[in-house]
Amino acid sequence: KAGVTQTPRYLIKTRGQQVTLSCSPISGHRSVSWYQQTPGQGLQFLFEYFSETQRNKGNFPGRFSGRQFSNSRSEMNVSTLELGDSALYLCASSPGTGGATTQPQHFGDGTRLSIL
Amino acid sequence: DQQVKQNSPSLSVQEGRISILNCDYTNSMFDYFLWYKKYPAEGPTFLISISSIKDKNEDGRFTVFLNKSAKHLSLHIVPSQPGDSAVYFCAAVSGTPRKRADKLIFGTGTRLQVFP
Repeated sequence: KAGVTQTPRYLIKTRGQQVTLSCSPISGHRSVSWYQQTPGQGLQFLFEYFSETQRNKGNFPGRFSGRQFSNSRSEMNVSTLELGDSALYLCASSPGTGGATTQPQHFGDGTRLSIL
Repeated sequence: DQQVKQNSPSLSVQEGRISILNCDYTNSMFDYFLWYKKYPAEGPTFLISISSIKDKNEDGRFTVFLNKSAKHLSLHIVPSQPGDSAVYFCAAVSGTPRKRADKLIFGTGTRLQVFP
């Protein structure tokens, strides 16, 4: 069974630009969550999508947005990039119907975003 | 405000000995916890979890202990192997109701190195 696939693996952008990251969940999984990992901050929750609807949201500014398509694939967009947005962005999928207590999230290998 | 804390950024243990990784949390509403392991250039992998109705959960060489009164959990690895060298993240489930819209609150991670 294929795992969670994130593209691209690496990305370099400059301040002020915008970026779109892609995540393909495990087949059959309907929930996709996004996390930002930075040194010293651990993984911080961005948002979760289920059946094309944002179901939960973290404490990030509106420059961070996402969407989910009917095939459960998800994209995350960051506009007006800042130096502090340099991070590893991780996507995780789960069936989404039983909650994390019964269905641990499966993570992709992430997209490393560097802002110059 | 870091609701899940891993105060030891690194730990070094000899092969065959016990590794103990600690995690503290501040929110008494958290009632389900998970441990993830992360190798460089890969996404986190689910390791083991525990519900607050238990104080111990064991899976092979891995055991998680939960002390609710102290808001503390620990992961024991016995015996430690060089392949266990990775970053370990503790996470708490946040979200109500728990069967929907779960999000994981992660600690900052502990880097474990197991040497021969």
